[in-house]
Amino acid sequence: EDQVTQSPEALRLQEGESSSLNCSYTVSGLRGLFWYRQDPGKGPEFLFTLYSAGEEKEKERLKATLTKKESFLHITAPKPEDSATYLCAVQATGYALNFGKGTSLLVTP
Amino acid sequence: SQTIHQWPATLVQPVGSPLSLECTVEGTSNPNLYWYRQAAGRGLQLLFYSVGIGQISSEVPQNLSASRPQDRQFILSSKKLLLSDSGFYLCAWSPDRGNEKLFFGSGTQLSVL
Repeated sequence: EDQVTQSPEALRLQEGESSSLNCSYTVSGLRGLFWYRQDPGKGPEFLFTLYSAGEEKEKERLKATLTKKESFLHITAPKPEDSATYLCAVQATGYALNFGKGTSLLVTP
Repeated sequence: SQTIHQWPATLVQPVGSPLSLECTVEGTSNPNLYWYRQAAGRGLQLLFYSVGIGQISSEVPQNLSASRPQDRQFILSSKKLLLSDSGFYLCAWSPDRGNEKLFFGSGTQLSVL
């Protein structure tokens, strides 16, 4: 059975304090790994898609990387507006994305 | 540009009452459409997806049903709500076949009392 595990469940950072979020997965035949950002009471917003080990994507202060077993979302010098829940999802066969439970990030001034 | 509309934003319904949530997509044709549910402490759970008008696939057997009467309209329904149906319901669409980058609506917070 495909599994996606995100850690930590919650993370509190001070503004400017860089860190990484982890998404480990077990899936047969990975077709894509997706990162989303979700603000409270809103739908998830697409950030990145990664397709193969070694691939990296960047957007502003965020950088996503992928290995054969896990993905990291690196946050460099975060700001309070980066506070949100970050969701990881994998796609194997078919149309369904299998989502992790997310990491709730709080960045304090 | 493409947009997705989902309503209502919040809904409070008694147990046993019917449900109808609607989602429409603008600016694209023949999208893949999805209904997800997000419960507290759990990941997003795929409920239904559709690759075309009248084509519905169910991922989880439950008290809910879905319909796609038009190309860009997706409806989630129930004849009799249960307490366990409470949650945050999200509609999503994807433009590509096989590359399921999803774009989500703003969600409906459903409370069944």
